Amino acid sequence: QQQVKQSPQSLIVQKGGIPIINCAYENTAFDYFPWYQQFPGKGPALLIAIRPDVSEKKEGRFTISFNKSAKQFSLHIMDSQPGDSATYFCAAREGGKLIFGQGTELSVKP
Amino acid sequence: DTGVSQDPRHKITKRGQNVTFRCDPISEHNRLYWYRQTLGQGPEFLTYFQNEAQLEKSRLLSDRFSAERPKGSFSTLEIQRTEQGDSAMYLCASSPGQLHPQHFGDGTRLSIL
Repeated sequence: QQQVKQSPQSLIVQKGGIPIINCAYENTAFDYFPWYQQFPGKGPALLIAIRPDVSEKKEGRFTISFNKSAKQFSLHIMDSQPGDSATYFCAAREGGKLIFGQGTELSVKP
Repeated sequence: DTGVSQDPRHKITKRGQNVTFRCDPISEHNRLYWYRQTLGQGPEFLTYFQNEAQLEKSRLLSDRFSAERPKGSFSTLEIQRTEQGDSAMYLCASSPGQLHPQHFGDGTRLSIL
């Protein structure tokens, strides 16, 4: 059972574009929603996170939009750069553990 | 480097052998988590500790898997009688507490021949 569904599986944008990655969940017990960035051979690195009582959070070029009623949240990357090419994972916290989405492989073309 | 440290980074072993991985969390982080990640998938939760107490184990953690955190600092994850399906990246994360972000190490990649 997939508790956190992430789309798209892969995404290609031009430099300067705004990739958007979407996630959906069912479990209303989730209380915290982080996004992680992972480069090949490395562990996931925390990018930005949001709690369900907030509808939007910005940190630098990264923005999370959160729709509690629709049980959906998304990551926007402003002014994307080739260095942003990586795999992005959304996650949701239940108790002590994180439940991850399947990941989105982002490629930013120069 | 004050991040989460995992050792070894790579482990190649024959099917049926036992393997042990070590994780050193960020200093003073009392929560330590183990996840498993297979190629093209997101990390899957295995187990976590608060100090030396193991608080939750996933159904993914079969009887062949055991994790310890004897003094509430570093942790070990042992897999006995390894199988082909155990090939994965084993990730460790730590946090100062339940309501704090989890920070991951770079993992141990296990390959079963």
